[in-house]
Amino acid sequence: EVQLVESGGGLVQPGGSLRLSCAASGFSFDDYAMHWVRQSPGKGLEWVSGISWDSKNIDYADSVKGRFSIARDNAESSLYLQMNNLRPEDTALYYCAKGRVVNLSYYMDVWGTGTTVTVSS
Amino acid sequence: QSVLTQPPSVSGAPGQRVTISCTGSSSNSGSIYDVHWYQQLPGAAPKLLIYGNNNRPSGVPDRFSGSKSGTSASLAITGLQVEDEADYYCQSYHFRLSGPYYVFGTGTKVTVL
Repeated sequence: EVQLVESGGGLVQPGGSLRLSCAASGFSFDDYAMHWVRQSPGKGLEWVSGISWDSKNIDYADSVKGRFSIARDNAESSLYLQMNNLRPEDTALYYCAKGRVVNLSYYMDVWGTGTTVTVSS
Repeated sequence: QSVLTQPPSVSGAPGQRVTISCTGSSSNSGSIYDVHWYQQLPGAAPKLLIYGNNNRPSGVPDRFSGSKSGTSASLAITGLQVEDEADYYCQSYHFRLSGPYYVFGTGTKVTVL
């Protein structure tokens, strides 16, 4: 069974840091791009960051560029998101998602259940 | 930044057909990239519903269908069922000067009357 399990969320003060992890299983992790997508309480989905299978291509949303850093460890089938200088507006449920690229289709076909990040003093 | 606009809500009685539109902003007019759709049931993670404009992953009922024309896409649900009550999001991919990014629609809540 393909599975993504996020961890590392919690309560942090503004300006603080947090590192999220995503453990993947049931598929060849090193064959696929991976993404982080977040959802603020009661709001829609927002793509945060993506990383190619070989870590050579990394992209960020403008809202997190310079503060967040995505990484992966293919040997451990794990994805990470280092979040620094956190702001209250970063409060959200953070999902890990498996990426697919087929011709002109760029999408996510498997999602984890998410980990909650709350930024508050 | 590119935006995909969806109606906030649509509703229908069981058995009816409903459609959800997904319209690109002027900044991404003529996008060549495909549109995909996700279903988010209450309290659950998003689930891929339609990929590549009109393809269903294994296990998705054929009452769900998608289409794309120019800068607009749509999701149709025929034979609406109670279990279809959820939030639905379109998604596409765009390039910008600072690099590529993925964009989601504003989301549509489907209510079964």
